[in-house]
Amino acid sequence: DTAVSQTPKYLVTQMGNDKSIKCEQNLGHDTMYWYKQDSKKFLKIMFSYNNKELIINETVPNRFSPKSPDKAHLNLHINSLELGDSAVYFCASSPRDRTSYEQYFGPGTRLTVT
Amino acid sequence: GEDVEQSLFLSVREGDSSVINCTYTDSSSTYLYWYKQEPGAGLQLLTYIFSNMDMKQDQRLTVLLNKKDKHLSLRIADTQTGDSAIYFCAERRNFGNEKLTFGTGTRLTIIP
Repeated sequence: DTAVSQTPKYLVTQMGNDKSIKCEQNLGHDTMYWYKQDSKKFLKIMFSYNNKELIINETVPNRFSPKSPDKAHLNLHINSLELGDSAVYFCASSPRDRTSYEQYFGPGTRLTVT
Repeated sequence: GEDVEQSLFLSVREGDSSVINCTYTDSSSTYLYWYKQEPGAGLQLLTYIFSNMDMKQDQRLTVLLNKKDKHLSLRIADTQTGDSAIYFCAERRNFGNEKLTFGTGTRLTIIP
């Protein structure tokens, strides 16, 4: 299946731990994103990478570090997890060869910090 | 979405038309999008419209754009139970800027 996939789907961890979420897309897109959706469903962009290069870095604590080993993968590493990090994290990708830049989303990773 | 506003809730009877509204503030928006999020799922792109268009139709979906009033709407004809979801509008500002700003989302409930 051609899609954006994320692992894990659910992640429950304790405060202070370090965790990673992985994202892969096989759509051949050049640009990938991480979004955070809070409990009120508010969706906000965190990072964007184009062909392994960081192009959008919103005001996000530096405990969050994206890593793009190649243009099909964008992983999110979170250090010293806090209660407020609990949210659903979505990965997305978009093609650069279309001016519409529509973004395609993964199924999300629900992170719960206890 | 600090600059993209939507009503939080909408209830519609099955078979009626649903109209979901969105207002945005940045006149430089180039593309506007509608996404659907079902419970426990990711966002599914429904449709998008370029800012120099005022209408786009795709099967049961009709998008209307009033650029003067910065108002976008999504009409779903013959609403079905499978249309129950949260609908997000999003705007992209300026060519070269790939950031999307999402609205607050409208939860559509279908009444049997």
